[in-house]
Amino acid sequence: AQTVTQSQPEMSVQEAETVTLSCTYDTSESDYYLFWYKQPPSRQMILVIRQEAYKQQNATENRFSVNFQKAAKSFSLKISDSQLGDAAMYFCAYREVSNFGNEKLTFGTGTRLTIIP
Amino acid sequence: DAGVIQSPRHEVTEMGQEVTLRCKPISGHDYLFWYRQTMMRGLELLIYFNNNVPIDDSGMPEDRFSAKMPNASFSNLKIQPSEPRDSAVYFCASSYGTGGYNEQFFGPGTRLTVL
Repeated sequence: AQTVTQSQPEMSVQEAETVTLSCTYDTSESDYYLFWYKQPPSRQMILVIRQEAYKQQNATENRFSVNFQKAAKSFSLKISDSQLGDAAMYFCAYREVSNFGNEKLTFGTGTRLTIIP
Repeated sequence: DAGVIQSPRHEVTEMGQEVTLRCKPISGHDYLFWYRQTMMRGLELLIYFNNNVPIDDSGMPEDRFSAKMPNASFSNLKIQPSEPRDSAVYFCASSYGTGGYNEQFFGPGTRLTVL
């Protein structure tokens, strides 16, 4: 079974600085999808960024980017120019590529990010 | 679109009572997922449907839990009888299509407290 590990339960960063959240996963598949979700205090789960394993180029969405290291099975999230609104729980998630309906996401345990004004 | 709608947002009940959580997916989406979030176990998938048919219910903790999707616009998750260890936030999510990124859109969750 696939597992997703987030080894940092909590992180903090000064406003406007850069922070990196770590995620590793275990799979025997060669193609799959990886996601970072944000959960602010409102509880709403919001997709931040996504990456398909066969694409070597790291995904970027504005201030958010990933460092995808397939061989190391590592998928870290970098947040640049941190803002107060970035404070949230961040979850890394994995999903297989399938044409047979296996759409389930496997989540890590989350990293709570605090932004220091 | 209003997004995924869940009701109620908060539910407090006593042990032994039946609890029903409701979800309306985004119109046109053909996948619906029920997740549970607890401090101890994190986010875990309970069950998911494709075109109203349950595909994988291996995450349903026990027979006290059941989920149905009678049509494309509605699903419910029932717990009968409820126990204090069922206290959690329950999320419903929906997505469209098979393969590809198929982003799952989450509802705001229902916080269930069983006393």
